[in-house]
Amino acid sequence: RKEVEQDPGPFNVPEGATVAFNCTYSNSASQSFFWYRQDCRKEPKLLMSVYSSGNEDGRFTAQLNRASQYISLLIRDSKLSDSATYLCVVMGNTDKLIFGTGTRLQVFP
Amino acid sequence: GAVVSQHPSRVICKSGTSVKIECRSLDFQATTMFWYRQFPKQSLMLMATSNEGSKATYEQGVEKDKFLINHASLTLSTLTVTSAHPEDSSFYICSAPSGTSIGAYNEQFFGPGTRLTVL
Repeated sequence: RKEVEQDPGPFNVPEGATVAFNCTYSNSASQSFFWYRQDCRKEPKLLMSVYSSGNEDGRFTAQLNRASQYISLLIRDSKLSDSATYLCVVMGNTDKLIFGTGTRLQVFP
Repeated sequence: GAVVSQHPSRVICKSGTSVKIECRSLDFQATTMFWYRQFPKQSLMLMATSNEGSKATYEQGVEKDKFLINHASLTLSTLTVTSAHPEDSSFYICSAPSGTSIGAYNEQFFGPGTRLTVL
């Protein structure tokens, strides 16, 4: 079983739509959780950290459920520029990051 | 924000040659850097942790004699792919913790990556 699992997609949505991505992780000792965004042939960039209390940054909302070992990302009012691959990332008690395979989002006009 | 550079951004080489990739932290010092590899449509896989002044720590399944890592200074780590073969063709990315904390997390910055193609 992979340490971090994501639906690879692609998710094809129209502009203005709301889309949600899910991720599960296998190591219950994981301590920190993140969503990264990766554009084609580019390095990943931190989108947001994920906390148990849930956190929101503009159109993006992330949630963590430690009991279910589940992380989610909600994007509201999708823009064309949101088209990218969204990586679910988990970290243990070191600085090592474990990446999911990513979920590809394509927003169309 | 913190910046990490990589050089070269792209390299094409013949099978059997060695390729060196540099990773530099431009405006901060990094005692630790991480090297990742990403094959098409796959996730980033951690290859090794580069430690300034000491030996690198390799992940399981990564050949340390094939992927030589040197962290000679607080701002430079190099990855040398020795005797490269077509199956080593991949996107190699480094990252470095910036020293800026987000909660318990030491925020990492990624280099722009190096695309290696071995013919």
